[in-house]
Amino acid sequence: GQQLNQSPQSMFIQEGEDVSMNCTSSSIFNTWLWYKQEPGEGPVLLIALYKAGELTSNGRLTAQFGITRKDSFLNISASIPSDVGIYFCAGLPYNNNDMRFGAGTRLTVKP
Amino acid sequence: SQTIHQWPATLVQPVGSPLSLECTVEGTSNPNLYWYRQAAGRGLQLLFYSVGIGQISSEVPQNLSASRPQDRQFILSSKKLLLSDSGFYLCAGGDNTEAFFGQGTRLTVV
Repeated sequence: GQQLNQSPQSMFIQEGEDVSMNCTSSSIFNTWLWYKQEPGEGPVLLIALYKAGELTSNGRLTAQFGITRKDSFLNISASIPSDVGIYFCAGLPYNNNDMRFGAGTRLTVKP
Repeated sequence: SQTIHQWPATLVQPVGSPLSLECTVEGTSNPNLYWYRQAAGRGLQLLFYSVGIGQISSEVPQNLSASRPQDRQFILSSKKLLLSDSGFYLCAGGDNTEAFFGQGTRLTVV
């Protein structure tokens, strides 16, 4: 099945800094999803993207669906300690329900 | 909005014992359903997905099986657990536009 390459694998940043992470794929996706997972819990959906070029915000989070439909990025502005967690990208191919995930970006925010 | 119920939250089972994890969905009909496994500190490995009752797609050969006896019920099973089956199991449900997760089951095989 399709593989998603997510980077960076981990980030250690200072409170107040901006964060950027991205996902790329060799295949085209119809939908890109970004999730956050905290320890011992299931991932929570943050942002969903449905159209190439789409830019969507959710508070301090902004995500974009790449023009080629093979990539997406997530930005977090002015990070705070509660942003700590693992962020996953996920892709849904066109006419297929095979939802794939990136390996995750582990974010640590130092106060 | 849809809600994914998954239980139990934690489970400790001896090697060779059977397994049954249940997942149910509220708030939608005919959802796509998924079972993922997550090793500690790692990503999500897709185990099974289902687009309808009795329709199961398996991603990797393994000691596990899945069944969908009802539209909003997805069950993960094993006849004989292995030590390597330990992990965090997540059920997800959705459509072609988004998917939501349950709270997960932490399985420890001893």
